[in-house]
Amino acid sequence: QQPVQSPQAVILREGEDAVINCSSSKALYSVHWYRQKHGEAPVFLMILLKGGEQKGHEKISASFNEKKQQSSLYLTASQLSYSGTYFCGTEVPGNQFYFGTGTSLTVIP
Amino acid sequence: DAGVIQSPRHEVTEMGQEVTLRCKPISGHDYLFWYRQTMMRGLELLIYFNNNVPIDDSGMPEDRFSAKMPNASFSTLKIQPSEPRDSAVYFCASSLMGAQAEGYTFGSGTRLTVV
Repeated sequence: QQPVQSPQAVILREGEDAVINCSSSKALYSVHWYRQKHGEAPVFLMILLKGGEQKGHEKISASFNEKKQQSSLYLTASQLSYSGTYFCGTEVPGNQFYFGTGTSLTVIP
Repeated sequence: DAGVIQSPRHEVTEMGQEVTLRCKPISGHDYLFWYRQTMMRGLELLIYFNNNVPIDDSGMPEDRFSAKMPNASFSTLKIQPSEPRDSAVYFCASSLMGAQAEGYTFGSGTRLTVV
């Protein structure tokens, strides 16, 4: 029931792009994305609802394919401040919500 | 608003002792969640409340864990007796369901170490 994220870890140089995927075995009502910096709490980035929408947040955007039960987070022109662990959160039927396995992103100069 | 407030930030206790973690959610939020985070298991939902009523406690590991929400502005998570395997970071989060743009707001967490 826990969504699986890929890759588990990625290292980027400043300015490079990255894609983080989130895949669920259950039908999805919505997908959340969060970023957690080391020693801090997860911080909400965005939510995507059913409808295959794509959302943006500065240079961070996401898509949601409900048929494939997948979501992807796109980080473009990465900055040092993007470093952290990214979690997806999936809302499934039965009012259940699960956080994904997490993807560690490190941006180096 | 000051956000979700948790106390204490750090707790070190001996095995067998009682531990109480506290949480003050954001005013007006009607859902409150308790999560536990470890390297091995990631973020695990322990229990959540809606309008102060426990809705799903299936994630509570065992009877040693209990949670209460006596009013809309306060919740506790109690572990009695504590064991070394309970060592983790415990997060409280709150949300306003229906406000789909907001997601969950997490507190700073309590890092619990049981020795």
